[in-house]
Amino acid sequence: NAGVTQTPKFRVLKTGQSMTLLCAQDMNHEYMYWYRQDPGMGLRLIHYSVGEGTTAKGEVPDGYNVSRLKKQNFLLGLESAAPSQTSVYFCASSLTLYEQYFGPGTRLTVT
Amino acid sequence: GQQLNQSPQSMFIQEGEDVSMNCTSSSIFNTWLWYKQDPGEGPVLLIALYKAGELTSNGRLTAQFGITRKDSFLNISASIPSDVGIYFCAGRNYGGATNKLIFGTGTLLAVQP
Repeated sequence: NAGVTQTPKFRVLKTGQSMTLLCAQDMNHEYMYWYRQDPGMGLRLIHYSVGEGTTAKGEVPDGYNVSRLKKQNFLLGLESAAPSQTSVYFCASSLTLYEQYFGPGTRLTVT
Repeated sequence: GQQLNQSPQSMFIQEGEDVSMNCTSSSIFNTWLWYKQDPGEGPVLLIALYKAGELTSNGRLTAQFGITRKDSFLNISASIPSDVGIYFCAGRNYGGATNKLIFGTGTLLAVQP
């Protein structure tokens, strides 16, 4: 039981490039989330999903897109990366409306 | 966006000391969660609280759901070096339509052997 996994662990992009972050969970959780973590800002919700085929905007959705084609996977896309998107990205999942379990994070630098 | 007020921001203590930290909100919550984040890792859930006044322990950790529903407390007894990390509180608004958690900005704990 691996829990929540994220790939890649590290990535460096140039401004304007695109990329996709992959999150996978093997706990059969309905709910999945993408957060970004910046110094002094805590964790901020980007997008979330309440089930396969559904997505919704969180607190800071601009510049990101997501897809949940399979229950176990939640993809986060950056169409045209900007330096302001340099951050650590965390995926989380939950079975109920309460306890969220986090992945190890992806460290993204945009130059 | 809304954030929780978490204090203290940082603590530097000696091994064996007890630690207390708290989180306050301007709105009522129906769930409080406490997480620990080690350097380079994702947050790990420590304790979940669901009822006002609830007191829950996990080993040397004890957390309480404040009776006003606007605060929560985490205590660590007899600290050890592996307690080092950032501790986050998180809460869910009462009556919230989504599963959105609001996170505190964290308490950095350093333990000197």
